[in-house]
Amino acid sequence: DTAVSQTPKYLVTQMGNDKSIKCEQNLGHDTMYWYKQDSKKFLKIMFSYNNKELIINETVPNRFSPKSPDKAHLNLHINSLELGDSAVYFCASRHAGLAFNEQFFGPGTRLTVL
Amino acid sequence: TQLLEQSPQFLSIQEGENLTVYCNSSSVFSSLQWYRQEPGEGPVLLVTVVTGGEVKKLKRLTFQFGDARKDSSLHITAAQPGDTGLYLCAGAGVTDSWGKLQFGAGTQVVVTP
Repeated sequence: DTAVSQTPKYLVTQMGNDKSIKCEQNLGHDTMYWYKQDSKKFLKIMFSYNNKELIINETVPNRFSPKSPDKAHLNLHINSLELGDSAVYFCASRHAGLAFNEQFFGPGTRLTVL
Repeated sequence: TQLLEQSPQFLSIQEGENLTVYCNSSSVFSSLQWYRQEPGEGPVLLVTVVTGGEVKKLKRLTFQFGDARKDSSLHITAAQPGDTGLYLCAGAGVTDSWGKLQFGAGTQVVVTP
């Protein structure tokens, strides 16, 4: 199936740990995004890469570091996890050449920091 | 920051009733999307509106973009339980070229049989 996939689906970890979330898209898109959805369902953009280049970098703690090894993958590494990092993290992709910014979202990774 | 305000935050209706969700801003958007999100899943695009005054229909869903491209509405006719979900509007700024979307806080719609 063509899709945006994320691993893991659920992540439960202790404060202070380092963890990574992976995202892959096989839609042939050249732009990928990371969003954070908080407990009130508010969805906020964190980062975006276009052809492996960082193009959007919102006000996010530098404990969060995205990496794009190729245009089909965008990973998110989080150092020294804090309680406030608990949220659902969504990966999304789009093709920059297409009009109107339609984005395709992955199923999300629910991160719980204890 | 272009703030998108959605109203109402929560809507509970009976099957067969109509409902309207609003998305308002003081800023102009080059395009505006509506997504629906179901529990445990990511948002799924329903429609994109681009032209001021544009009206798009998707079966029982009608989407409208305001003339000034600052607001939008989603109207559902004869709602069904399958319409239950979190409805999100998202706008792209007129100077944006990288798809930086500003999302509203969402409207949770519950349709009971």
